[in-house]
Amino acid sequence: GENVEQHPSTLSVQEGDSAVIKCTYSDSASNYFPWYKQELGKRPQLIIDIRSNVGEKKDQRIAVTLNKTAKHFSLHITETQPEDSAVYFCAASHWTGGQNFVFGPGTRLSVLP
Amino acid sequence: SQTIHQWPATLVQPVGSPLSLECTVEGTSNPNLYWYRQAAGRGLQLLFYSVGIGQISSEVPQNLSASRPQDRQFILSSKKLLLSDSGFYLCAWVSGGAADTQYFGPGTRLTVL
Repeated sequence: GENVEQHPSTLSVQEGDSAVIKCTYSDSASNYFPWYKQELGKRPQLIIDIRSNVGEKKDQRIAVTLNKTAKHFSLHITETQPEDSAVYFCAASHWTGGQNFVFGPGTRLSVLP
Repeated sequence: SQTIHQWPATLVQPVGSPLSLECTVEGTSNPNLYWYRQAAGRGLQLLFYSVGIGQISSEVPQNLSASRPQDRQFILSSKKLLLSDSGFYLCAWVSGGAADTQYFGPGTRLTVL
């Protein structure tokens, strides 16, 4: 089955710097890769996603890149702000009679003022 | 627009007591529905998913069960709770058809004493 690894597990950056979180997946059938942000005590919120027919996607300060050959995808946050502090989860997904998702273990991002 | 509801929001139960958590989705038909559990400070563990009424797939054998009595209703149950069942229970959905974007409900925080 699918296995998703995520690095680093914790990340501290200074406000205004960039943050990069990387994920790798094992199943070449995976074709949809969402990223979620989870603040303390809240539900995971979808912040950006990418499909396998696209190599890069950007939404303001957030971007995601996908390398299908190497089976890895990354989240890039530029000009970080204290409100970016949260746990970020990546996931890999594909259709197997239902949409199946496998999540990475998460990255705790701390943006220091 | 689509919305997802979960109740109760918080629950404190003694070991050995039964459990029933409910999730309902509005504004969509034939969704894929999911139950996840998140232990404190940990990642998302998929417990069950359903692609239709009465169709349940179990990912982790344990003392929990799930049912889908109606198209937009998903119930998580247990006959006897264990201490290890404590956690944050999240229901999630994906629109029916070829859609792949998953959204999470607000969650139920369960403490077993």
